[in-house]
Amino acid sequence: GQSLEQPSEVTAVEGAIVQINCTYQTSGFYGLSWYQQHDGGAPTFLSYNALDGLEETGRFSSFLSRSDSYGYLLLQELQMKDSASYFCAVRDNYGQNFVFGPGTRLSVLP
Amino acid sequence: EAQVTQNPRYLITVTGKKLTVTCSQNMNHEYMSWYRQDPGLGLRQIYYSMNVEVTDKGDVPEGYKVSRKEKRNFPLILESPSPNQTSLYFCASSLEGWTGGMSEAFFGQGTRLTVV
Repeated sequence: GQSLEQPSEVTAVEGAIVQINCTYQTSGFYGLSWYQQHDGGAPTFLSYNALDGLEETGRFSSFLSRSDSYGYLLLQELQMKDSASYFCAVRDNYGQNFVFGPGTRLSVLP
Repeated sequence: EAQVTQNPRYLITVTGKKLTVTCSQNMNHEYMSWYRQDPGLGLRQIYYSMNVEVTDKGDVPEGYKVSRKEKRNFPLILESPSPNQTSLYFCASSLEGWTGGMSEAFFGQGTRLTVV
C-alpha cells in the first residue's frame, strides 16, 4: 500500500520560517511534490523533488531524502497570504497514479 | 490561457439520479485524473487516464466511471449517486503520460457535489 503523513496544523508568525514535514510509504517512487491550497480554491503546484537534496524557488524550498522516505517544505519570510493548506504528493505504482498526503493547515499570525 | 475547466461548479442532486461532471484542458496534456477531497482525508484519486482510451482506477473508484475519448476531455460519471459521494471534486491534468517523471499538475476549480 501507500501512505503519506504530515502534521495536521502548523502556526507561525509573519516573517518567521516554518518547515512542513512529509514521510511516505509507497510501492514505487517517482518523486515528491508539494501543492498549496487556499480555502475555497484549487491546489496549485509549488515544487517537485526527484533526487535527494534541496530545491529552492524564491521563498519556498523543498527537500527530499529518498533513503529516509522523507521530505519537507520550507517557507521563509512568511506572509499572511501563505496561510493555506499544504499537501505533499508522490507518484506511485510505477508512475501511474498520484497519492496525496492529508494536508497541513498553516496559519500565519500577524 | 492554459487552464482546466470543470462544470458545474456546484451541484445538488438526489440519490440515484445519474450525473456527469465535465473536465476539459487546453494544454494538450496526456495525463488527466479525478480526485475527491473530504475533510481530514486530503485528496484521493478516483480515476486517472494516461492517454486517449487509457484509463485506470485510483484509490477510490467505487461508484464512479470515466471515459477518455478525446485528449482534452475527461468526464466523471456517477451512474447512481449516493449521499456518501457528497464531496468536493477536482479534475487535474499534467503533461507526461508513459514517460514517467513528474511535471506540474494543473487543477480545475472544483465541483462541490451534494447528494441528498
